[in-house]
Amino acid sequence: AQSVTQLDSHVSVSEGTPVLLRCNYSSSYSPSLFWYVQHPNKGLQLLLKYTSAATLVKGINGFEAEFKKSETSFHLTKPSAHMSDAAEYFCVVSALFSKFYFGSGTKLNVKP
Amino acid sequence: SQTIHQWPATLVQPVGSPLSLECTVEGTSNPNLYWYRQAAGRGLQLLFYSVGIGQISSEVPQNLSASRPQDRQFILSSKKLLLSDSGFYLCAWKFWGSEKLFFGSGTQLSVL
Repeated sequence: AQSVTQLDSHVSVSEGTPVLLRCNYSSSYSPSLFWYVQHPNKGLQLLLKYTSAATLVKGINGFEAEFKKSETSFHLTKPSAHMSDAAEYFCVVSALFSKFYFGSGTKLNVKP
Repeated sequence: SQTIHQWPATLVQPVGSPLSLECTVEGTSNPNLYWYRQAAGRGLQLLFYSVGIGQISSEVPQNLSASRPQDRQFILSSKKLLLSDSGFYLCAWKFWGSEKLFFGSGTQLSVL
């Protein structure tokens, strides 16, 4: 079985400061992991993906995530937050690219 | 190019009434199809998954059912709606063997 736990339902940062959104996963198989972003009144957009290649994955808009098997984590980071980063972020786990399980989401607020 | 259509966009139904939400994908064949429900603070819950016509995998026991009468058509149904069926329903698809999901625009269902 696969599941993800997003440890923070809300994260608030100031513009220009680092962003850290935490995700822990559970999987019976070698997992594929993803981060999706949903801006207000917009659809879901794929930010980045880990599919057993390099453990440090770079995505769009300066985001990156590191797969740590020993910690079963896949935290999302960005060195410097921008106002346009304010959105809800979802960590997703999949095995064999069949079923995709979403976390409960983390709402990122960016203060000016 | 591929497109996904989901309708209706909003729906208000009384408790005990039937439900039918439809999703169609254009521009591809044999897609993997998904129904998700999004609730505030709970992320996206996988409801149903299909790899082909008539092949439906149900993730959670509930008041809903799904059918895939044609290759690119996925229908979510209920015989009698409950208050707890209220939520935002998203249809998604992907190429077989691919890892990227493409989402429809969603249906906001209110059961009163």
